[in-house]
Order: sequence, then structure tokens, then C-alpha cells
Amino acid sequence: SQKIEQNSEALNIQEGKTATLTCNYTNYSPAYLQWYRQDPGRGPVFLLLIRENEKEKRKERLKVTFDTTLKQSLFHITASQPADSATYLCALWNQGGKLIFGQGTELSVKP
Amino acid sequence: DGGITQSPKYLFRKEGQNVTLSCEQNLNHDAMYWYRQDPGQGLRLIYYSQIVNDFQKGDIAEGYSVSREKKESFPLTVTSAQKNPTAFYLCALLAVQETQYFGPGTRLLVL
Repeated sequence: SQKIEQNSEALNIQEGKTATLTCNYTNYSPAYLQWYRQDPGRGPVFLLLIRENEKEKRKERLKVTFDTTLKQSLFHITASQPADSATYLCALWNQGGKLIFGQGTELSVKP
Repeated sequence: DGGITQSPKYLFRKEGQNVTLSCEQNLNHDAMYWYRQDPGQGLRLIYYSQIVNDFQKGDIAEGYSVSREKKESFPLTVTSAQKNPTAFYLCALLAVQETQYFGPGTRLLVL
């Protein structure tokens, strides 16, 4: 079955630095991959989607890459701010037509 | 939030009791989903419905039931057969580009 793995350990960085989060998947080659942000006690919010034929996608300070050979997506936040502190989830549609999520990586940006 | 509502925000269940979580939307979307989230874990699909009067089991449907009598409403009942119901429950719609638009969630606790 398809699996998604994200860094299970929380990521702590200093304000202004670039945060890089990793999402690895196995046993499948999805047509696209999605990233969400989740704040404590709230539902996830969609951030970015990247397709298999796109190497990179940008939205303001966010950048996502998609390496179908490595079966990996990287999510970058440049010039990070304390307000970026949250849990970030990656997700993909599996062959069974269901959206599966990684366990999420908690990001903490210190001032 | 905004177009999809879940109530209550917190729900307490006694042993042997069935409880129902509400999910309502006014965005005229056909497909609706229920997910369960446990600490440190990704979202797991409980049930989904692609059209009124039709729904499908997800990966962890045991101990849960749903109905879809109206397009706007997709309530989830946690039955007494669900032995470990404590979790954060999220309702979602299928949005553009096959992303998920989530409600604010309901936290279920067992007394």
C-alpha cells in the first residue's frame, strides 16, 4: 500500500532562516502532491499543489519541489516568521482514490 | 471555516453511548469526507460521500456510521462499538484541483 513519511521530529529554527520540510512516499507514483498547514485545534488549510511534471512551485515565501525519481517532495519557507509556526502535512491521492496524509511535521520559528 | 461548520467544538461521550458529530456546508459541494486525527498521526479516512444517499467506507470505518440525506449535511455517529473514540474529528469537502477544504473540527473526549 502507498505510504507517506514526514519528519516526525519537530523542526525548530530561528526567525529569518529557511525552513525545509521533507515528504517521502513509497509504492506509488502520484500525479501530484499537496501541502497543508494545520494550526493547533484547527482543520488543515491547503497551501500548494505540485504536479509530477513540475519540478518546483512557488507561492510568496513558500516553495515546493517534487522529485519523482527520489519519490520526495521538499517544502521550503524562506525568511521564516514566528507566525509560520504550525504543523505542515503533505498528502497524495492513492491508487484507491483516497487522499492519504503524512503524519505532519511541527515547525517552530523562534524570534 | 467559512462555508463548512462542525459542531460541537468539544463533545463528551460516556461509556456505551452513541454520539453524533455534525457537519454542514453551504458551498454546494457534492463530495464530503470524515477524517480522524490522533496525536502525532496523519489524518485517517473514516467515511466519504460523493453524492446524496450514497457513502463509502474509508480505512477505519468500524465503530462509525454516517448518513447523507441532504447535500448540505453529512453527520457522523460514533457508536458504542468504537472502543477508542478519543480523537479530533475533521469533516472536509472536495475542493478545486482535488484538494480538501476542512471544517474547524470536533474534539471528542470520553468521560
